[in-house]
Amino acid sequence: AQRVTQPEKLLSVFKGAPVELKCNYSYSGSPELFWYVQYSRQRLQLLLRHISRESIKGFTADLNKGETSFHLKKPFAQEEDSAMYYCALRRMDSSYKLIFGSGTRLLVRP
Amino acid sequence: SQTIHQWPATLVQPVGSPLSLECTVEGTSNPNLYWYRQAAGRGLQLLFYSVGIGQISSEVPQNLSASRPQDRQFILSSKKLLLSDSGFYLCAWGAIYGYTFGSGTRLTVV
Repeated sequence: AQRVTQPEKLLSVFKGAPVELKCNYSYSGSPELFWYVQYSRQRLQLLLRHISRESIKGFTADLNKGETSFHLKKPFAQEEDSAMYYCALRRMDSSYKLIFGSGTRLLVRP
Repeated sequence: SQTIHQWPATLVQPVGSPLSLECTVEGTSNPNLYWYRQAAGRGLQLLFYSVGIGQISSEVPQNLSASRPQDRQFILSSKKLLLSDSGFYLCAWGAIYGYTFGSGTRLTVV
């Protein structure tokens, strides 16, 4: 069965510190992985997808198939990065179901 | 562009009362539609998805049901609400190129 695990419920860092939000997955196939973000009073929105291999707002994430991980990283956190972050896996079938992790709240202190 | 409307934004209902949450999509045809729930302290759990009119798949056993009477309309219902049905309900539509989420409904069962 597919599963996404985000071990940290809350991650608190100071402004300018590096950030790593952990995500591990289990899936019997080739998954497609995403990071979604929800800022206060805003809708859930896409931050990154692994197939794009891009950097958005300074965040990057690399899919490590050996470790089944897709950790989200940013070298220097900003206060505006404070939000709820969800890692998600998409089943590669016609359902296009997104399976989410439990989420990590990132708090960046001044 | 595609938009998704979800209402109401908040709802307080007594135990044993019925429920109907509606979600409509604009700007796309034959979308895959999803209902998610976020209970307090937990991640986004997929409840139902639909790949077409009248086609509903349930992901978890529960007190809720879903229906898709029209291509761009997805309804979440219950005949008798339980306290455990409280949570934040999100509607989403998805395709191979991405997903769009509604603004959510916060349901409190009292």
